[in-house]
Amino acid sequence: SQTIHQWPATLVQPVGSPLSLECTVEGTSNPNLYWYRQAAGRGLQLLFYSVGIGQISSEVPQNLSASRPQDRQFILSSKKLLLSDSGFYLCAWSVRAFYEQYFGPGTRLTVT
Amino acid sequence: GENVEQHPSTLSVQEGDSAVIKCTYSDSASNYFPWYKQELGKRPQLIIDIRSNVGEKKDQRIAVTLNKTAKHFSLHITETQPEDSAVYFCAASKGTPLVFGKGTRLSVIA
Repeated sequence: SQTIHQWPATLVQPVGSPLSLECTVEGTSNPNLYWYRQAAGRGLQLLFYSVGIGQISSEVPQNLSASRPQDRQFILSSKKLLLSDSGFYLCAWSVRAFYEQYFGPGTRLTVT
Repeated sequence: GENVEQHPSTLSVQEGDSAVIKCTYSDSASNYFPWYKQELGKRPQLIIDIRSNVGEKKDQRIAVTLNKTAKHFSLHITETQPEDSAVYFCAASKGTPLVFGKGTRLSVIA
């Protein structure tokens, strides 16, 4: 069966520091991968999605970037964090673009 | 692009009563409509979905209905239990990333 992992689970970072969040999927090949952010008590904001290695689509212009160095690995990065980057970061995968989408356990980021 | 509106934003029901959450979408080409349940501090979990060639789908106490003409779909939860308390999100897709509604916070009062 398929499994999605995210790490770290929680992170506290000062403003201006860099960020790297990692997501990996097991048990499937060539998944579509997604990064979402959820501010406290709010909805799901799509940040990036990828349909293949090196193929990244950005939904919201901001100080974040994403990369997909391997088929089942998706990385979210920032060079300098802002206070507004605090939130719950969720990675998700799907077999095809319009099929069932499954979320990872998430990373709770607090920028201080 | 697609826009999904979800109502109500909060809903309180007595245990054992039914709960209904409604969503409307704007793009008539959308053909996949999932519902997610998110408990406090947890990831959203897919609980039921429906495709455009089906009008209704049931899974035990939950059901989803789709009206393509009116471009709306609804989640129905019967015999609600305290463990149904969560935030529920609807979404729509036509082959691009899911577009989510803003969520409904359901509280089931024992």
